[in-house]
Amino acid sequence: SQQGEEDPQALSIQEGENATMNCSYKTSINNLQWYRQNSGRGLVHLILIRSNEREKHSGRLRVTLDTSKKSSSLLITASRAADTASYFCATARVDTPLVFGKGTRLSVIA
Amino acid sequence: NAGVTQTPKFQVLKTGQSMTLQCAQDMNHEYMSWYRQDPGMGLRLIHYSVGAGITDQGEVPNGYNVSRSTTEDFPLRLLSAAPSQTSVYFCASSRTVPGSIEISGNTIYFGEGSWLTVV
Repeated sequence: SQQGEEDPQALSIQEGENATMNCSYKTSINNLQWYRQNSGRGLVHLILIRSNEREKHSGRLRVTLDTSKKSSSLLITASRAADTASYFCATARVDTPLVFGKGTRLSVIA
Repeated sequence: NAGVTQTPKFQVLKTGQSMTLQCAQDMNHEYMSWYRQDPGMGLRLIHYSVGAGITDQGEVPNGYNVSRSTTEDFPLRLLSAAPSQTSVYFCASSRTVPGSIEISGNTIYFGEGSWLTVV
C-alpha cells in the first residue's frame, strides 16, 4: 500500500508557535497533497507538491518533499486558533486515485 | 456554482436496509470518487470513476455499488446495510485523475460529508 502515515497523531501548541507535521509513504509517487479538515466538515485542499519539487510555499504553509526518504512535512508558521483541525497527506501515483493517511489532529490554544 | 453536493447529510438505517447516497458536481469534472472515514483510519477509497460509464473499485468496495450514467452524478448504493458500514462518507471530484501527469489546475473538491449510522 502507498498509504501515507502522518506523525504525530496529535499535536497541541500555543497560538503563535509553529506546527510541523510529517508524512511518510511507501511507494514512488507522482505528487503529494495536504488537506485540512475542520471538525464535522469536508476536506479542503491546501497544497500540492510534485515528485520533482522539493519545497513549496503558500502563505503561512511550507511543504517539503524528500523522495529519497519517501517523506514530506507540512509547516504552519505563526499558528492561529483557526488552524485547529485535522491535517491529512495524500499521495498519488500516475493516473491513480488519491490515497490518504490517517491524519494529524492539531490543536492551537489561544 | 455549488461545487460537490452530497445528500443526505445524516441517515440512520436498520441492518439489511438499502439506500443511496447522492453526489452531484456542477464543475464538469471527469473524475469522481467516494471515500469513507472512520475514527483513526483516515479516508479509505470505496469506488471511483474516471468518466461517465466507467467505474472502478477502490480499497474497500465490498457492500457498495456505484454507477456513472452522467458526468454530474455519482451515487453510492448500500445494498444491504451492516453496522460495519456506520461511517462518514465523502464524495470528491476533480477535472482528471489526481495522479495525472497533467495536474495543473486539477484541484480536488470534497463534499461536506454524509453521516450514516446502521443499527
